[in-house]
Amino acid sequence: SQQGEEDPQALSIQEGENATMNCSYKTSINNLQWYRQNSGRGLVHLILIRSNEREKHSGRLRVTLDTSKKSSSLLITASRAADTASYFCATDEVETSGSRLTFGEGTQLTVNP
Amino acid sequence: DTEVTQTPKHLVMGMTNKKSLKCEQHMGHRAMYWYKQKAKKPPELMFVYSYEKLSINESVPSRFSPECPNSSLLNLHLHALQPEDSALYLCASSHGRVGGTEAFFGQGTRLTVV
Repeated sequence: SQQGEEDPQALSIQEGENATMNCSYKTSINNLQWYRQNSGRGLVHLILIRSNEREKHSGRLRVTLDTSKKSSSLLITASRAADTASYFCATDEVETSGSRLTFGEGTQLTVNP
Repeated sequence: DTEVTQTPKHLVMGMTNKKSLKCEQHMGHRAMYWYKQKAKKPPELMFVYSYEKLSINESVPSRFSPECPNSSLLNLHLHALQPEDSALYLCASSHGRVGGTEAFFGQGTRLTVV
């Protein structure tokens, strides 16, 4: 079952603009991760934020986490056409043996040249 | 080597066929996963192996049978599938440490059941 809801479902912007995607989840988590998927291909890990962290940066990416609201956001600054892809948040619920990554519904980002 | 390799890339099989999907990683990861992804949907977890033992089965039908022969390999055996099982099957691996770490995904096997 999917526990993450993302909004918007689709986002279309111009190159150079910033893109913000939001994710909400329902259960307690150890960490929240963001992944990118180009059409029909594997997922690429972008960034991981732990439950005791509030903000994290990696290059043009900025992720925030609000555990009281059970929500996260991904900001991509100065977007490029190559950023066009689907973006998924994933919550990590650690079982006693092995961890479970549960994905949100995803946001389809289109960056127009 | 930070790759997860899946074979084959594409597979077409009949409903009476038996086939296997293969996944390999050489990163020393101790957790390996199978996900199923339908078009325009998120990946759905099927199985998790931790230290070569099946730790999570998300109530997957028995026509899907996972196998972990060693710490680097993960197979998914398919038998008597239905057309609705057509999807992208993704394998992933991670360190499996407490607290969680990033997962590395293969490029997937595009499965079509006819």
